[in-house]
Amino acid sequence: EIVLTQSPGTLSLSPGERATLSCRASQSVSSSYLAWYQQKPGQAPRLLIYGASSRATGIPDRFSGSGSGTDFTLTISRLEPEDFAVYYCQQYGSSPLFTFGPGTKVDVK
Amino acid sequence: QVQLVESGGGLVKPGGSLRLSCAASGFTFSDYSMSWIRQAPGKGLEWVSYISSGGSTKNYADSVKGRFTISRDNAKNSLYLQMNSLRAEDSAVYYCASGSYYNDYWGQGTLVTVSS
Repeated sequence: EIVLTQSPGTLSLSPGERATLSCRASQSVSSSYLAWYQQKPGQAPRLLIYGASSRATGIPDRFSGSGSGTDFTLTISRLEPEDFAVYYCQQYGSSPLFTFGPGTKVDVK
Repeated sequence: QVQLVESGGGLVKPGGSLRLSCAASGFTFSDYSMSWIRQAPGKGLEWVSYISSGGSTKNYADSVKGRFTISRDNAKNSLYLQMNSLRAEDSAVYYCASGSYYNDYWGQGTLVTVSS
């Protein structure tokens, strides 16, 4: 079973700052099968990045994903007020079929 | 536009059953694999079950295997989750979501509370 670890647990930043979120897998993950989601309170998650680095439809280009193997990164180049949320990474694998990381909360400093 | 609308949640006693539904619109439902994903109050996301576009392939998390059954009716653009032998730890918001290797569209969720 692949376990995803996200760090930091909470990231306190100001609008306009750069956010760097990490997702580390316990075993190598195909880049094709690594995704990132954003979730705001009371809302469903929203797909941001799939295939480790491809932005989903309608996602601003301040969001970017990178990485391979066991280390993946979500970068928000300049935080907008609407970007303060919880971010999850997810991998598609064998068993279990999907695994989510525990999430990183980006809050206002 | 794409819409996924879950229903069927509610309060149920431990050991009871519930059937969740997800009505899809705005896309060709029969072309897409679907999943159920849940989120306990204040917790993270947990994948529950997956079904392929035609319904022939089904997968379950170990935590629900043998108790939950996923199904779909492509003629009705609907996804279902039959939940039996419910436990307190099954209490969560249940989301339906589309996609094979990642989940591109999500419903707003339906709350399931298992309590005596």
